[in-house]
Amino acid sequence: QSVLTQPPSVSGAPGQRVTISCTGSSSNIGAGYDVHWYQQLPGTAPKLLIYGNSNRPSGVPDRFSGSKSGTSASLAITGLQAEDEADYYCQSYDSSLSGPRVFGTGTKVTVL
Amino acid sequence: EVQLVESGGGLVKPGGSLRLSCAASGFTFSSYSMNWVRQAPGKGLEWVSSISSSSSYIYYADSVKGRFTISRDNAKNSLYLQMNSLRAEDTAVYYCARDPPRGYYDILTYFDYWGQGTLVTVSS
Repeated sequence: QSVLTQPPSVSGAPGQRVTISCTGSSSNIGAGYDVHWYQQLPGTAPKLLIYGNSNRPSGVPDRFSGSKSGTSASLAITGLQAEDEADYYCQSYDSSLSGPRVFGTGTKVTVL
Repeated sequence: EVQLVESGGGLVKPGGSLRLSCAASGFTFSSYSMNWVRQAPGKGLEWVSSISSSSSYIYYADSVKGRFTISRDNAKNSLYLQMNSLRAEDTAVYYCARDPPRGYYDILTYFDYWGQGTLVTVSS
């Protein structure tokens, strides 16, 4: 059971905007620790999508954006495309756990 | 081009052992902290273990502490995970993942490159 909670699924039509929340607590996101996001296409390894709350690695389209506020973070996908159908995970640090890095529960994005 | 290639997965009986390897290329391996992350079938990602560039800092998830050992050989550009006393719940794809470049071990950081994974199945 993860300390970072995400909705199991979100969906949208092509061209729409969808958002994925990552809800934590005062020992992780709320303590100011950065949130990072990964995209996992079906049958493939995860890929870094957003780091440091809102930064995109080279090659990631600007349709993907991240933000953080209080004890939560969000990933937004604007202009949803068929190839965005994937699982998305947030990741951060939790000071209450002996293991330093934690992932969110994961969200399946479906393009209708 | 950064490449991480895992190997060593397979079928093992409960209580058995397995050693995973990750061959790195395309970057100066000895300068980067490395990690193992696993994913049980149909489940989410779980961080397993981290090791700093010089092996000075090592961390484990509580779920594997005392059973798994992470190590590296910078001369061979390789990362390892020795898994002992394996349980059914250790069944997963194990990914090797790299930290971004830092001059120190950054406990707060992310994983910038991932391998394709190797499947470990623990079953009698």
